Amino acid sequence: QVQLQESGPGLVKPSETLSLTCTVSGASMNNYYWTWIRQPPGKGLEWIGYIYYSGSTNYNPSLKSRVTISVDTSKNQFSLELNSVTAADTAMYYCARGGRRDVYIRWGQGTLVTVSS
Amino acid sequence: QSVLTQPPSVSAAPGQRVTISCSGSSSNIGNNYVSWYQQLPGTAPKLLIYDNNKRPSGIPDRFSGSKSGTSATLGITGLQTGDEADYYCGTWDGSLSAGVFGGGTKLTGL
Repeated sequence: QVQLQESGPGLVKPSETLSLTCTVSGASMNNYYWTWIRQPPGKGLEWIGYIYYSGSTNYNPSLKSRVTISVDTSKNQFSLELNSVTAADTAMYYCARGGRRDVYIRWGQGTLVTVSS
Repeated sequence: QSVLTQPPSVSAAPGQRVTISCSGSSSNIGNNYVSWYQQLPGTAPKLLIYDNNKRPSGIPDRFSGSKSGTSATLGITGLQTGDEADYYCGTWDGSLSAGVFGGGTKLTGL
């Protein structure tokens, strides 16, 4: 049974870079899309972007200038970097796996990131 | 403001049937598959329906999905207290070249 686990700092200062890693266990990363999705407290889901196992990426146009998603299949991990963060980036961040770019079959439990000085 | 439009809340009595709507446009629902996710309080979302009307293994047939034009609907029959959750629709938007979600619908029991 595949499992995903997010990890990274829970507190980031304004203007700095948010960095998270999703570790995949129980399955290969090959032939899947790996997606980051976030949810501000009390609000709905926002798609951040995906990386295919081969390395191709696609980002939310509203975040594109600040986002980088990378993958390391040898470590069974993929990562999210979001720079120049503000309080508006405070959210629960989820990583997810899908066989296609538009369906998120398996989710991590999420990690809360707060942007505050 | 979400690209897909859902009612903020719906309610129904235990045992009854409830539907949740999701409205979009030709750039998203009109030309792509729709998925539905259930988010129980304090947990990560879980895939309920994909490809408009397919259920992943383990999802009971009380849950169903349909799509017509630029709208989709999630149906839940025989409502149980354990179904009280937030429900989100999602799809791909070809114009944005991005995944999009509805704002979510909170299902409460009467």
